[in-house]
Amino acid sequence: GAVVSQHPSWVICKSGTSVKIECRSLDFQATTMFWYRQFPKQSLMLMATSNEGSKATYEQGVEKDKFLINHASLTLSTLTVTSAHPEDSSFYICSARGYSSYEQYFGPGTRLTVT
Amino acid sequence: QKEVEQNSGPLSVPEGAIASLNCTYSDRGSQSFFWYRQYSGKSPELIMFIYSNGDKEDGRFTAQLNKASQYVSLLIRDSQPSDSATYLCAVKGAGGYQKVTFGIGTKLQVIP
Repeated sequence: GAVVSQHPSWVICKSGTSVKIECRSLDFQATTMFWYRQFPKQSLMLMATSNEGSKATYEQGVEKDKFLINHASLTLSTLTVTSAHPEDSSFYICSARGYSSYEQYFGPGTRLTVT
Repeated sequence: QKEVEQNSGPLSVPEGAIASLNCTYSDRGSQSFFWYRQYSGKSPELIMFIYSNGDKEDGRFTAQLNKASQYVSLLIRDSQPSDSATYLCAVKGAGGYQKVTFGIGTKLQVIP
């Protein structure tokens, strides 16, 4: 199956700092990438959808100025959490979908803790 | 009405039994259906997808789709303790870039 990687797998940062999370498709070209957030014992919440070379489409209630998404190439998307606060602590997961493919493949996730 | 509905469980089955996981969806135009398995603290893993009415089998897993009833299910035969996880149903609408909508997931516990 398709492989998606994420880096870092976990990060601890201080309140007010910014954190960048990378998502890479390793063996296919990801025309569309998705960013999800998952709080403990809750379901996945889609934050935004990004198509390569285009601006990301954010879900209602997600601050685009706080969660900056860049999908600069067919294999890399980044999520930057700006001015992080403790309530941003969560499990952030990206997924990727290839051209003319319906299946989404998930990265291993990044656990963010803001102190 | 939620777009994709699942019973959150937990669903407990004895080892060796058949586990039956169910999902209903509201968008009649939905075309693609997926089952993901998520272990605690890990990201989801795609285990099955189905596009046509009927059954699709892969090893111990069988996905069943009934578009008229807007119902999709996952059967796990010979359940093992390692199958204990949360199973997420996901539905994609028609169109190339329609997003996938996930259900809340059903927690399955296989009792040794």
